[in-house]
Amino acid sequence: EAGVAQSPRYKIIEKRQSVAFWCNPISGHATLYWYQQILGQGPKLLIQFQNNGVVDDSQLPKDRFSAERLKGVDSTLKIQPAKLEDSAVYLCASSLRGAEGGTEAFFGQGTRLTVV
Amino acid sequence: AQSVAQPEDQVNVAEGNPLTVKCTYSVSGNPYLFWYVQYPNRGLQFLLKYITGDNLVKGSYGFEAEFNKSQTSFHLKKPSALVSDSALYFCAVSGMDSNYQLIWGAGTKLIIKP
Repeated sequence: EAGVAQSPRYKIIEKRQSVAFWCNPISGHATLYWYQQILGQGPKLLIQFQNNGVVDDSQLPKDRFSAERLKGVDSTLKIQPAKLEDSAVYLCASSLRGAEGGTEAFFGQGTRLTVV
Repeated sequence: AQSVAQPEDQVNVAEGNPLTVKCTYSVSGNPYLFWYVQYPNRGLQFLLKYITGDNLVKGSYGFEAEFNKSQTSFHLKKPSALVSDSALYFCAVSGMDSNYQLIWGAGTKLIIKP
């Protein structure tokens, strides 16, 4: 079974530029998550999709971050404009069902973003 | 409010010795508890979870964890550590408080010395 695919693996941009990350979840997984992981910390949920609807985006900085999951499959996360504090690893994860069922999530390798 | 604590930033264990990585939690109602491992430059990998039933949960790579409701703990254990177990370990909990969103610990770096 193929895992969660993310691209790119690494990205370096200047502040105020824009960047986009792509995620393809495991086939058949209804729930997709985007997390931000700053070095030395646990992941922080940015947004959760159930199929192509948003379940939780309470921690997404909506003035600069946006995400979409068209057709309930793959997803993109965009940052525009980027700030220095956005430097982090962006992790995509998917699960068969939502977390209310105690379902574990499967993670991609992440995109390491450096904003200079 | 729901929370997870991993009291040790780092745990050092000699190869072949048993290892324990500690996790305590605070949640209303019944918790769902998870352990994940993160190797350098890799995403998080699921190790095991507790949903209900037997308090001792067995997972991948020989790891197990014991759910202790009275101590609100879910410590990760392995009888005999391998150098390849060296990684960053995260405990996470979900429950009704957070609408079942995962709350993550800060992580514990496990170093296994040959």
